[in-house]
Amino acid sequence: GAVVSQHPSRVICKSGTSVKIECRSLDFQATTMFWYRQFPKKSLMLMATSNEGSKATYEQGVEKDKFLINHASLTLSTLTVTSAHPEDSSFYICSTSQGREEQYFGPGTRLTVT
Amino acid sequence: AQSVTQPDIHITVSEGASLELRCNYSYGATPYLFWYVQSPGQGLQLLLKYFSGDTLVQGIKGFEAEFKRSQSSFNLRKPSVHWSDAAEYFCAVGEDAGNMLTFGGGTRLMVKP
Repeated sequence: GAVVSQHPSRVICKSGTSVKIECRSLDFQATTMFWYRQFPKKSLMLMATSNEGSKATYEQGVEKDKFLINHASLTLSTLTVTSAHPEDSSFYICSTSQGREEQYFGPGTRLTVT
Repeated sequence: AQSVTQPDIHITVSEGASLELRCNYSYGATPYLFWYVQSPGQGLQLLLKYFSGDTLVQGIKGFEAEFKRSQSSFNLRKPSVHWSDAAEYFCAVGEDAGNMLTFGGGTRLMVKP
């Protein structure tokens, strides 16, 4: 299957700062990328869907001005958590898709906001 | 709206015993169904998927799942569990493979020696 990387794998930041998480599709061009959030011992909740070259589509309840998504190329999508607060601490997972093909998930990024 | 229910939050089985993890879904059309496994602090690995055809699908690591439309279920099974199978298992449904997925709440599997 395809290889998806995320960077960083772990990040700790102070409240009020912004954090950028990268999701890279290493061996195929991902026309669509998804960003999920996973709370401790909980399931994954879709945050947004991004298609290369267009604006992301956010799920209800997700603040688009707080969680900025940029999908500037077919191999890279970034999620920026702006003005982070402790309640933003979570495990963020991206996945990539090539049209109607199977999704491939990244290893996740654990964000801790102190 | 689509939804997925995994009734069992935790399951403990002895090594070598058989395993069945339950998954029920709600979806208006023919669903695409998936089972993923997640080890602690890791991403998701696809175990198997069902799109159409044979309702019994084989996956990796000796897992299989059976799609039962009449019961809206897609239960995951393994005849003999290994200690390395201890992980979190997620059932998911989507309108196609490349579109957004709706995940169940997950089942944490623990394996006793």
